[in-house]
Amino acid sequence: GESVGLHLPTLSVQEGDNSIINCAYSNSASDYFIWYKQESGKGPQFIIDIRSNMDKRQGQRVTVLLNKTVKHLSLQIAATQPGDSAVYFCAENTRGAQKLVFGQGTRLTINP
Amino acid sequence: NAGVTQTPKFQVLKTGQSMTLQCAQDMNHNSMYWYRQDPGMGLRLIYYSASEGTTDKGEVPNGYNVSRLNKREFSLRLESAAPSQTSVYFCASSEAVPTGGGEKLFFGSGTQLSVL
Repeated sequence: GESVGLHLPTLSVQEGDNSIINCAYSNSASDYFIWYKQESGKGPQFIIDIRSNMDKRQGQRVTVLLNKTVKHLSLQIAATQPGDSAVYFCAENTRGAQKLVFGQGTRLTINP
Repeated sequence: NAGVTQTPKFQVLKTGQSMTLQCAQDMNHNSMYWYRQDPGMGLRLIYYSASEGTTDKGEVPNGYNVSRLNKREFSLRLESAAPSQTSVYFCASSEAVPTGGGEKLFFGSGTQLSVL
C-alpha cells in the first residue's frame, strides 16, 4: 500500500499471476479516484478512474475497487506481463478542489 | 497530436541561476499544472492554472513563479535556483470540470533538473 518516506513499497509477482496494488486515503470527502502508471523515465500515464458513487470499475485487464467505508482503493491487474513493471500511483480529488492529490506510489516488479 | 510537450528534457544549473521550463498542450484543455517528483515520493503540486488568465499556488510554490501565456502554454520559472529544487518536473493538463469533482490529468514526459 501507500506510505510516506523515501522507500517505495514494492510488490513482486510472477509473470502471469494477478497483481493487487493497494492505496489508503484519508479524506472522506474525496469523490474521484484515479490510478496512474509511471514507467522509468516517463511521465505518469492514466490507467483507470472511479467515482465515489461506484465500488468497482473494470478496464482492459485492470479493475479498480473502492471501499469508502474503510477509505481503501485497490488496483487489480490480471495476468501480469513484463510490460506492467512500473510505479503505480493512486490519486484522489474532492469536488471543488480542482486538483488531484497523489499517493507515494508502489513499485511493481515482475518475476519471469 | 503530441499531447503535453515539455522542454528541456534535462537541465543542470548552478545555485542562483534562473531558468524557465516550458510546457505546451494541444488538446484544447482548460487547466494546466506543474508538479515536482522527488525520489521515493509522489507528485507534489507546485502551481496550477484552472483556466487561461488564472494561476494558483499548490502545495509547494515557494521559489517558483508561473505564467499562463495562453490556453496552450504554461511556463514555470525558477528565479534563483537552489539545490533543494533538484527534482523531476512534470507539466500536466486536463479538461477540468468547473465545479471540480474529477479530472483526468495528461502528463508530459518530464524535465530532469539538477541544481549544483
